[in-house]
Amino acid sequence: EADIYQTPRYLVIGTGKKITLECSQTMGHDKMYWYQQDPGMELHLIHYSYGVNSTEKGDLSSESTVSRIRTEHFPLTLESARPSHTSQYLCASSETANYGYTFGSGTRLTVV
Amino acid sequence: GQQVMQIPQYQHVQEGEDFTTYCNSSTTLSNIQWYKQRPGGHPVFLIQLVKSGEVKKQKRLTFQFGEAKKNSSLHITATQTTDVGTYFCAGIPTGANNLFFGTGTRLTVIP
Repeated sequence: EADIYQTPRYLVIGTGKKITLECSQTMGHDKMYWYQQDPGMELHLIHYSYGVNSTEKGDLSSESTVSRIRTEHFPLTLESARPSHTSQYLCASSETANYGYTFGSGTRLTVV
Repeated sequence: GQQVMQIPQYQHVQEGEDFTTYCNSSTTLSNIQWYKQRPGGHPVFLIQLVKSGEVKKQKRLTFQFGEAKKNSSLHITATQTTDVGTYFCAGIPTGANNLFFGTGTRLTVIP
């Protein structure tokens, strides 16, 4: 069963718009992650958090920002969307860095 | 750069045939995890291996962690159409904190 929720599931938005992708988990996990994945391709870590008020950039350069004000909530914001941001964004959480990750269903973003 | 590579990138098999995907890291890994992603879905955690030379089985799936902790394999015996998807390995390099995902192997099973 999904204990990590992402909204919206699909989003089509115009260039220059500000958007926030929501991610919430009910498992009490301290560690949360955002990955970007193009269809059929590998996952790239763009942001992660090890707890409240802790956020770090991942391996893939991203123009997005994240916040972690509450343990269960880890939203990702794009201040000005561009067509190059078109991709699937996957949120995940884990009990520790050495535990299996639980992924949300993802947000498929299209910027036109 | 990319630290975890998988081969093959694609594999088509006839239903009932076996399938193996290989994962290779340029550095020693503290653990290796395997995930399955169905077409249009999200990655789902399958298993984690921690010990050098460790072998674990889940029904028709056999997972192995290399002696040097730099490679791993997933073997599926007698594939079924439900096995279709992309299989990702992921590992934490020794001394690092984050999981690096492999490039994935996309499996197609022909009925």
